[in-house]
Amino acid sequence: ETGVTQSPTHLIKTRGQQVTLRCSSQSGHNTVSWYQQALGQGPQFIFQYYREEENGRGNFPPRFSGLQFPNYSSELNVNALELDDSALYLCASSLDKTAYGYTFGSGTRLTVV
Amino acid sequence: AQSVTQLGSHVSVSEGALVLLRCNYSSSVPPYLFWYVQYPNQGLQLLLKYTTGATLVKGINGFEAEFKKSETSFHLTKPSAHMSDAAEYFCAFSSGSARQLTFGSGTQLTVLP
Repeated sequence: ETGVTQSPTHLIKTRGQQVTLRCSSQSGHNTVSWYQQALGQGPQFIFQYYREEENGRGNFPPRFSGLQFPNYSSELNVNALELDDSALYLCASSLDKTAYGYTFGSGTRLTVV
Repeated sequence: AQSVTQLGSHVSVSEGALVLLRCNYSSSVPPYLFWYVQYPNQGLQLLLKYTTGATLVKGINGFEAEFKKSETSFHLTKPSAHMSDAAEYFCAFSSGSARQLTFGSGTQLTVLP
């Protein structure tokens, strides 16, 4: 079975720009959760998508948005990038809506300059 | 509110020595507890998890952790460190039905030759 894949692996953007990060979930998984990991910190929950609908959100502003597609892959969009958005963005897929069975991808390293 | 505290942001051990990484949690509900490992520029790999039942949990790569409710702790141990164990380790908390994980701030493990 394939694992969770994220693209791109690295990305450099300018402050004020918009960015889209992509995640392909593990085969058979219908839920995708996104996390932001700033340098030297633990990951923080951004939001979760279950069957194409947002199913919970952490303490992130509305300029962080997402989508989930019928094949359960997902996108994370960030508008009006700020320097503090520089981080590793991790995607995790799971079979149900709980965090019990997460499989994490390798992440996308976003640098905002 | 739930929280996870990892004591010691950096731990150094000699190769062959005992590894002990500390994690304490605060929760009003029965916890699910996890340990993840992260190698440089990579995602999170699950080492082990506790949900219910046996309080001593064995994981991959020779790691184990013991859930102690009276001490609200879930410390990670390995009898003999290998050079390949050098990485960052994260303790995480979830309640049974929660969609997200709450992570500690991480412990960087260095293994000295």
